[in-house]
Amino acid sequence: SYVLTQPPSVSVAPGKTARITCGGNNIENKIVHWYQQKSGQAPLLVISYDTDRPSGIPERFSGSNSGNTATLTISSVEAGDEADYYCQVWDSTDDHVVFGGGTKLTVL
Amino acid sequence: EVQMVESGGGLVQPGGSMRLSCAASGFTFSSYWMSWVRQAPGKGLEWVASIKEDGSETDYVASVKGRFTISRDNAKNSLSLQMSSLRAEDTAVYYCARDRRGSRVAHFDYWGQGTLVTVSS
Repeated sequence: SYVLTQPPSVSVAPGKTARITCGGNNIENKIVHWYQQKSGQAPLLVISYDTDRPSGIPERFSGSNSGNTATLTISSVEAGDEADYYCQVWDSTDDHVVFGGGTKLTVL
Repeated sequence: EVQMVESGGGLVQPGGSMRLSCAASGFTFSSYWMSWVRQAPGKGLEWVASIKEDGSETDYVASVKGRFTISRDNAKNSLSLQMSSLRAEDTAVYYCARDRRGSRVAHFDYWGQGTLVTVSS
């Protein structure tokens, strides 16, 4: 089955840029989606189809996907962005959804 | 406004059964795949099961196949997950999610607030 690897944690100061990576074998050939989950809340889709922002998601959130790494970038980070972030793809080998292990974003 | 509200969670003994329900509103329920995703305490997200728009196709993660059954009632805009032979490792918050499925692609654009299932003696 396909494995997605995320760093357990990322820290960033307010106003700076946070980059959360999602590693996978030739992940550029897959479509990546990203979810934000704040403490005690349900996940929220923040990026779909590698780069698309759903309605209501700030422009500060963007996505990219190249080679073996997909990246969620959050610019001008705010305290309210502190959350766990998960990447997700479709595993065409098993025909199942796969999630990364999640990254805890801490705003210093 | 799209909404999903889960119910039916609680405490169950190992080997027991439990049925989760999800009431959907704000969209044409019968036009979408639907899924269950779970999250064990302090852990990440795990896809559990999915069902096609008309209920004709279902799919499960290997660890629940043969023990869990996903179903839907399009007339009542309702999704269910019947869980049996429950194990401690099934303890999790179970989320109902709208599944945007295409050819070799899927993601979840709306989620319910989840219901906690605790399997313990």
